[in-house]
Amino acid sequence: DQQVKQNSPSLSVQEGRISILNCDYTNSMFDYFLWYKKYPAEGPTFLISISSIKDKNEDGRFTVFLNKSAKHLSLHIVPSQPGDSAVYFCAASAAGAQKLVFGQGTRLTINP
Amino acid sequence: GAVVSQHPSRVICKSGTSVKIECRSLDFQATTMFWYRQFPKQSLMLMATSNEGSKATYEQGVEKDKFLINHASLTLSTLTVTSAHPEDSSFYICSARRGQGSEKLFFGSGTQLSVL
Repeated sequence: DQQVKQNSPSLSVQEGRISILNCDYTNSMFDYFLWYKKYPAEGPTFLISISSIKDKNEDGRFTVFLNKSAKHLSLHIVPSQPGDSAVYFCAASAAGAQKLVFGQGTRLTINP
Repeated sequence: GAVVSQHPSRVICKSGTSVKIECRSLDFQATTMFWYRQFPKQSLMLMATSNEGSKATYEQGVEKDKFLINHASLTLSTLTVTSAHPEDSSFYICSARRGQGSEKLFFGSGTQLSVL
């Protein structure tokens, strides 16, 4: 049972354009969502998060949008840079739960 | 930022041997650490939650006798894959939460285990 889904395994975007990565979830108990970025042979690093009481959180070039009714979140990167090429994981947790549930990841490639 | 160190980064071993993976929090104390496994093109799957000074909590379907977890100090958790078999070949990664109430996890760099 995949509670967090990233349906696009890969995405290719031209440098300077906007990258939009999507994530869907099924568990209505999730109330905190995070995005992690992972380079090859490295562990994921935290990128940005959002609480369910918000619908948008922005940090520099990165913005996360949350649509609770649709159980959908997205990560926008603008403008996209070559260094953004990586695998992006979304993750979710429920209040009081210790663990994070991860999506399958989306490999983002930024083309010069 | 917080640093989590994981060692070794790569292991190749023969079937039937045991492999120990270490996970250390370098600049903070971690009462709880997490062990994940990732198969190619799949998500990070939580295997177990490692609690300092107590038994680990394993996720459904994870054999606790095969994947031994020890969290003897506030900065070190180890995962031992006992009698490894080729199907255990995977990318194992640990993480630690810095402080209570923090949702952010800091990850180690992972261990690629290949069992021949």
